[in-house]
Amino acid sequence: SQKIEQNSEALNIQEGKTATLTCNYTNYSPAYLQWYRQDPGRGPVFLLLIRENEKEKRKERLKVTFDTTLKQSLFHITASQPADSATYLCARMNNNAGNMLTFGGGTRLMVKP
Amino acid sequence: NAGVTQTPKFQVLKTGQSMTLQCAQDMNHNSMYWYRQDPGMGLRLIYYSASEGTTDKGEVPNGYNVSRLNKREFSLRLESAAPSQTSVYFCASSQTGGAYEQYFGPGTRLTVT
Repeated sequence: SQKIEQNSEALNIQEGKTATLTCNYTNYSPAYLQWYRQDPGRGPVFLLLIRENEKEKRKERLKVTFDTTLKQSLFHITASQPADSATYLCARMNNNAGNMLTFGGGTRLMVKP
Repeated sequence: NAGVTQTPKFQVLKTGQSMTLQCAQDMNHNSMYWYRQDPGMGLRLIYYSASEGTTDKGEVPNGYNVSRLNKREFSLRLESAAPSQTSVYFCASSQTGGAYEQYFGPGTRLTVT
């Protein structure tokens, strides 16, 4: 089965620093990886999508990389703010499975002022 | 636009009782999904519907049934609730035909005693 693994330990960083979250996958590379943000008591919210043939994608302070050799995606938040504190979920999508997503367990990010 | 709505927000059931979780979307999406989220397990797909009139099993379908009532509505039914079904349930929707993001509802917190 296709697995997605994220560090279950919370990541604590100081405001203004860059947060880096890791997503590892098993077996073959997914066609796409998606990243979501989830706040307590709420549903996930889409942030970024990166395709298998893309090395990097950016959106404002967010950057996602996709390394098919390492079977890994990194999610970066630059100039982090306390409002960035949330759980971040990585999900793989295979392009032949009805847009189904397989999610990792998520990593909780805490940005301290 | 309300996006994806779910009812109820909270529910407590006794073992063996049945209930239906309701989900509706107003974005004219073809695909809809039901997930459950347990601590440390991430989101796991229960059932999905790629289009009106079709439904398919996801990763954890046992103990659940679904109905795609029309394009807007996708319901999840627990016929005989078990304590193992205590979880937070999320409904989501997306466009089809490409790598589209999923839009999630606010969730239903279900406790089975």
